[in-house]
Amino acid sequence: EVQLVESGGGLAQPGGSLRLSCAASGFTFSNYEMNWVRQAPGKGLEWLAYISSSGITKYYADSVKGRFTMSRDDAKNSVFLQMDRLRAEDTALYYCARVGAGGSYAQPFDYWGLGTLVTVSS
Amino acid sequence: DIQMTQSPSALSASVGDRVTITCRASQSISSYLNWYQQKPGKAPKLLIFAASSLHNGVPDRFSGSGSGTNFTLAISSLQPDDFATYYCQQSYTTREISFGPGTTVDI
Repeated sequence: EVQLVESGGGLAQPGGSLRLSCAASGFTFSNYEMNWVRQAPGKGLEWLAYISSSGITKYYADSVKGRFTMSRDDAKNSVFLQMDRLRAEDTALYYCARVGAGGSYAQPFDYWGLGTLVTVSS
Repeated sequence: DIQMTQSPSALSASVGDRVTITCRASQSISSYLNWYQQKPGKAPKLLIFAASSLHNGVPDRFSGSGSGTNFTLAISSLQPDDFATYYCQQSYTTREISFGPGTTVDI
């Protein structure tokens, strides 16, 4: 069974840092591209970051470019999101999501974790 | 940036109704369009990918259509489990994935 489990959320001060983790199981992790998506309280979904299966290619939303860094460790079956220079508007539930559905060109996110909550407040 | 819009933003419907949700892209995205369902307090679930392909395990009362800039998600006969928020997502450019604002379907 495919599972994605996020961790590392919590309370951070404006300007501070947090590192989120997403542990994967139930599939050959190294073969899959991964993403981070967030959802502010009561709001819609916002894509944040993408990493290729090799870990070489990464893309970021403009809202987090230069502040957030996505990485992966295939030995640990995990992806990470290093979040620096946090702002109040970064407060959200953070999901990791797998790109799948049989390798469709449309790169849908076929499995999602339950999310980890990040609150940025002084 | 590719902007996604959805209409309506919310709708009220009854069990058994046919429901359609529209998603529009600010430029052509071919069929690089996916649909997700999200219930309160839960993670989103993939329903439709590549505009019209049903994801594994999704009931066939759900269908998707469209290409270019205009897309539709249809639910042929609304069931109690279908009351949720629906999001479209474009993946035409992997470096700039974006979601629509969502459509909430309630009673």
